[in-house]
Amino acid sequence: NAGVTQTPKFQVLKTGQSMTLQCAQDMNHEYMSWYRQDPGMGLRLIHYSVGAGITDQGEVPNGYNVSRSTTEDFPLRLLSAAPSQTSVYFCASSYSGLTSGATIYFGEGSWLTVV
Amino acid sequence: KNEVEQSPQNLTAQEGEFITINCSYSVGISALHWLQQHPGGGIVSLFMLSSGKKKHGRLIATINIQEKHSSLHITASHPRDSAVYICAVRPPGAGSYQLTFGKGTKLSVIP
Repeated sequence: NAGVTQTPKFQVLKTGQSMTLQCAQDMNHEYMSWYRQDPGMGLRLIHYSVGAGITDQGEVPNGYNVSRSTTEDFPLRLLSAAPSQTSVYFCASSYSGLTSGATIYFGEGSWLTVV
Repeated sequence: KNEVEQSPQNLTAQEGEFITINCSYSVGISALHWLQQHPGGGIVSLFMLSSGKKKHGRLIATINIQEKHSSLHITASHPRDSAVYICAVRPPGAGSYQLTFGKGTKLSVIP
């Protein structure tokens, strides 16, 4: 049981490049989400999904795109990378959209630098 | 939007000390999470609370819904407890998925 797997762990991009951060979970969780963590700030929600085929925007969605074609996978796409997107990205998942005391599981994080 | 404040921001303790980390929020919630972020970056869920108190090993979490306040206590602290502790709150209502996070409390336990 691998939990939540994120790749890559480290990435350097040039401004304007695009890339995809991969996230996969093997716990059959309905709810998956992407957060970014910046120095001096709390984690902020980028996009989330409550099931295959359903996605929605979080607090800071601009410049990012997501899709959820399967229960297991929830990739995050940076369309045209900007230095402001330099951050640590976390994928997370849980049962039932955090209801009923569901534990939230995080990936190990992806350190992204845009130069 | 809920404002989540944690205190202290940084905390240094001697091994064996009793530690308290506080979390206050501004708007009513349905649940509060305590998370631990290891120095390497990984985040682990410690507790989810909607009322009362929970205990797991040396960790105790309490919440006072009326006062909009939660505390995380660590008894007999150990250097392996050194980490950033993060509080996150979930708004009320079915279908509310957007957690709001505090900025974290960095704990260093010295041998």
